[in-house]
Amino acid sequence: DIQMTQSPPSLYASVGDRVTITCRASESISSYLNWYQQKPGMAPRLLISAASSLQSGVPSRFSGSGSGTDFTLTISSLQPEDFATYYCQQSYSTLLLTFGGGTKVEI
Amino acid sequence: QVQLQESGPGLVKPSQTLSLTCTVSGGSISSGAYYWSWIRQHPGKGLEWIGYIYSSGSTYYNPSLKSRVIMSIDTSKTQFSLKLRSVTAADTAIYYCARTSVWSREFDPWGQGALVIVSS
Repeated sequence: DIQMTQSPPSLYASVGDRVTITCRASESISSYLNWYQQKPGMAPRLLISAASSLQSGVPSRFSGSGSGTDFTLTISSLQPEDFATYYCQQSYSTLLLTFGGGTKVEI
Repeated sequence: QVQLQESGPGLVKPSQTLSLTCTVSGGSISSGAYYWSWIRQHPGKGLEWIGYIYSSGSTYYNPSLKSRVIMSIDTSKTQFSLKLRSVTAADTAIYYCARTSVWSREFDPWGQGALVIVSS
């Protein structure tokens, strides 16, 4: 199984801050890495696919980078609506898709 | 705009079978470009992929759940379904359905989720 480890598990930030979340895979997954945002009581929403491809409608302050085993999600200037939990997901393994444990971004 | 909606009982007794259906609207469930997935989230916890089904009926299940899971698809009704046998309290979770690209296997979009509680 490919294990996905996110760090930090939670962070405190202020509006306007630059926020970086890290996701590490237990083996190389090329660029098969996706990022999701989940707000309380809602389903996750896809933000970024293939490590760096921003989904339609997602603000440009979100960006993703990395390949192999190390990936980052960056929010360039945190907005009030960005307080949420973020998950990475590897899609390299067709037989077992796995998620990171999540990073909660709090005020 | 494709939308997905889960439906099914919100309460299941231990040892019984959990059954959920996902109805797809605004797009074709027969498209060869997508799998149709089930994902669950234990209360206050992270996300666990349960498995996915292709329009042909081919299935891929999480090995940890494989012995208890059956997925099916009805293209005429644009629905796909999940059955999880022999449930315990550990299966209490929010169950989501989602569309999954065959090529890159990201989940998009998701249904709103259905809370299923396993309790007598």
